[in-house]
Amino acid sequence: KQEVTQIPAALSVPEGENLVLNCSFTDSAIYNLQWFRQDPGKGLTSLLLIQSSQREQTSGRLNASLDKSSGRSTLYIAASQPGDSATYLCAVQSSWGKLQFGAGTQVVVTP
Amino acid sequence: GAGVSQSPSNKVTEKGKDVELRCDPISGHTALYWYRQSLGQGLEFLIYFQGNSAPDKSGLPSDRFSAERTGGSVSTLTIQRTQQEDSAVYLCASSLDLGGAYIQYFGAGTRLSVL
Repeated sequence: KQEVTQIPAALSVPEGENLVLNCSFTDSAIYNLQWFRQDPGKGLTSLLLIQSSQREQTSGRLNASLDKSSGRSTLYIAASQPGDSATYLCAVQSSWGKLQFGAGTQVVVTP
Repeated sequence: GAGVSQSPSNKVTEKGKDVELRCDPISGHTALYWYRQSLGQGLEFLIYFQGNSAPDKSGLPSDRFSAERTGGSVSTLTIQRTQQEDSAVYLCASSLDLGGAYIQYFGAGTRLSVL
């Protein structure tokens, strides 16, 4: 049974520092891995999707890496801003798109 | 609108009542998913619809839960005889198959409170 773990559960950094969020999964037979952002009281916003054949994806200040063999993904957010404060969720994706989520990392960026 | 729409945004009901939650997916998206987000359980998959195929109901927690998707578009999640443990945020998502990459777009959710 696939298990997805996110460490740390919470993170607080001053504005301008880089953020490093970790995600691990127990079954490497995944098709894709997706990172989401969730703001309080709102749904999920897709940030990056990494297909199993890829090693990383980048979008602006965000970079996500994937190492299937070790069951790990890392989301890097460069030069954090207070607007980056949110909960970040990683999810592994099966062949037809079913997502299994980690518990999330709650991020606070202080001005 | 261009996004996934869910209604109602909030629902308060009494234990034992039936509730219906609605999801309008993004137009043209062939796949539709329901998830539940509750304290202590995180986000969990409930059910998946893809085109005209039989839905995958493997995540439904009990036979009090059911869902349908009419005309390959709008979906309704029904919970019968609600219990307090059903209190959660119910999220709907839709996606296209982009060569195996199912980027899912989520609605804002329905917050269900069972008193």
